[in-house]
Amino acid sequence: EVQLVESGGGLVQPGGSLRLSCATSGFTFTSYWMSWVRQAPGKGLEWVGNIEEDGSVKNYEDSLRGRFTIFRDNAKNTLYLQMNNLGAKDTAVYYCARDLGGGYNWNYQGSDCWGQGTLVTVSS
Amino acid sequence: EMMMTQSPATLSVSPGEIATLSCRASQSLSNNVAWYQHKPGQAPRLLIYGASTRATGIPDRFSGSGSGTEFTLTISSLQSEDFAVYYCQQYNKWPRAFGQGTKVEIK
Repeated sequence: EVQLVESGGGLVQPGGSLRLSCATSGFTFTSYWMSWVRQAPGKGLEWVGNIEEDGSVKNYEDSLRGRFTIFRDNAKNTLYLQMNNLGAKDTAVYYCARDLGGGYNWNYQGSDCWGQGTLVTVSS
Repeated sequence: EMMMTQSPATLSVSPGEIATLSCRASQSLSNNVAWYQHKPGQAPRLLIYGASTRATGIPDRFSGSGSGTEFTLTISSLQSEDFAVYYCQQYNKWPRAFGQGTKVEIK
């Protein structure tokens, strides 16, 4: 059974940092691009970024590039999201997801498996 | 900047009826659009990719159509489990983007 389990969320002060993890199992992690998507309270889904199978290629939402970094540890089958200089607008549930088909737009077939999400709250 | 506009924001439908959801893009997307279903407290669920290809395990009452800038998700004969928020997602250009969602509620 494919499983993605996010962790690392919590309360953080404005300007702080947080690292989210997404532990995966039930599939060959090294064969898939992986994505992060977030949902602020009462808002819709927002794509954060994705990362290639070996971690060499990363794409980000323009407004988050420079503050957010996606990386992965293929030995641990785990995806990460490092978030720096957090502000109130970063308060959201953060989901990790598996990209089907590939991570490039020409071969992407949607994100077919998702975790349940981890809540990040930025507040003083 | 690519803009994805979904309409209507809320759709009130009776069980057994048809729901038609629209997604419009500010630039041509070819057929690089996916649709997702999202229920509160749950993980999003992939329904459609390539504008019209159903994902694995998705019932055939869900169908997608369109190309270019106009896309449609049709749910025929709505079931109780179909009441949720639906999002389109473009993946024709970086960064990928979701529409703002259409909530399908019970009439």
